[in-house]
Formats: sequence, C-alpha cells, structure tokens
Amino acid sequence: AQTVTQSQPEMSVQEAETVTLSCTYDTSENNYYLFWYKQPPSRQMILVIRQEAYKQQNATENRFSVNFQKAAKSFSLKISDSQLGDTAMYFCAFMSSAGGTSYGKLTFGQGTILTVHP
Amino acid sequence: GAGVSQSPSNKVTEKGKDVELRCDPISGHTALYWYRQSLGQGLEFLIYFQGNSAPDKSGLPSDRFSAERTGGSVSTLTIQRTQQEDSAVYLCASSLGQGATDTQYFGPGTRLTVL
Repeated sequence: AQTVTQSQPEMSVQEAETVTLSCTYDTSENNYYLFWYKQPPSRQMILVIRQEAYKQQNATENRFSVNFQKAAKSFSLKISDSQLGDTAMYFCAFMSSAGGTSYGKLTFGQGTILTVHP
Repeated sequence: GAGVSQSPSNKVTEKGKDVELRCDPISGHTALYWYRQSLGQGLEFLIYFQGNSAPDKSGLPSDRFSAERTGGSVSTLTIQRTQQEDSAVYLCASSLGQGATDTQYFGPGTRLTVL
C-alpha cells in the first residue's frame, strides 16, 4: 500500500515571499502520478499541479512549481510570490498508474495549513 | 458549466439514525469518487464508480456504509445506524474518465455531525 507523508502541519509566509511545502511518499511502483491539491475555507478541493513519475522535468503552473526527486520519493511544492488567496490547506496525493480495481484512487497526505500574511 | 454539487451542505443527526448524502457530478463525467475527511483519519478514499458500477468497495469503513449511482449520474452515499465516529466531511469528486490525466473535480462536501 502507498503512503503519503506531509511533515509540516502548518506553515506561514509573508505576501510576495516564496514558500516550500514538503511531501514524501512510499511506493514499490515505478510509474505513478503525484498531485498537489488546495483546499480553501470553502472546502472545495482544487487541483494545483500534477507530476507524472516517468517525466524527469519538474511540473510548473504559473507561480506553482514542484521539486520531484524520484529516488528520494520526495515531491515538494514551491509557491512563488505568495498571495493572500493562497491561504488554504494543501494536500499532497498519490495515484497509481497500474490497472485494477483501485485505478483512479487518490491517496492523500495529512495536509499542511498555509497562511499568507499581508 | 456547473461543477460538482453535494447536498445537504451540513447534516446534524442523532446516533442510530440513517442518513443519505447526495452527489451530482459534472455532466458527462463517467467516474465518480467518494472520500471522507475527518480529524482522526485525514482524507481517505471510500468508493468509486465507473458508470453505475463500483468495482472496489474495500474503502467503505463498515457494512453500515453503502453507495449507489443511477443513470451514470447522481450518486447517493447512505450511512445506516450512524455512530459518532462517522462525523466527518464527505467529499465527492467526478472526472471525465478514470485515468490519472483525468482531473478529479471536487464538490464542496457535506459536513456530517452525529450527536
């Protein structure tokens, strides 16, 4: 079974600064997908960024980028030029690319609460 | 277009009562997922549907939990004889297909409180 660990329960950053959220995972699979989801106070989870394990290039989406270290099973999220609207809980998640009955299932970490201060 | 909707947004019930939680996925999405978010267990996968069938029910916490999906659209999660440990936010998500490149879009969740 896969596990996802986020070791930072809470983080804070000043507006316009850069912050990095950590995530590690454990799997015996070689091909899989990793995600970062954002959950604002409205509770609605929003996909921030997706990384395919077989791609060495780190994914980027505007101010959001990841540092994917496959050998270390590490997948951190960097938020540049932090904005007040980035305040939310952030979840790291794993999805197997293998077939089977659990295909499509997301396994989440415990979450990191990020607060952006003005 | 409209996103995933869930109803009710909040539900308070007494221990031992049955509850039904509803999820309306995005139109045309064939895959539908239920997750539970609780303080003690974090975010956990419960069940998914591909069309109307649920190939994997192993994530359901107990036999008091059941789910169905009709017409490849609306899904209902039913909890019978609710217990206090069932208190949580129940999230529903849908995606166009079942692959990892098919983004799962989440609803706002139903917050269930069992007194």
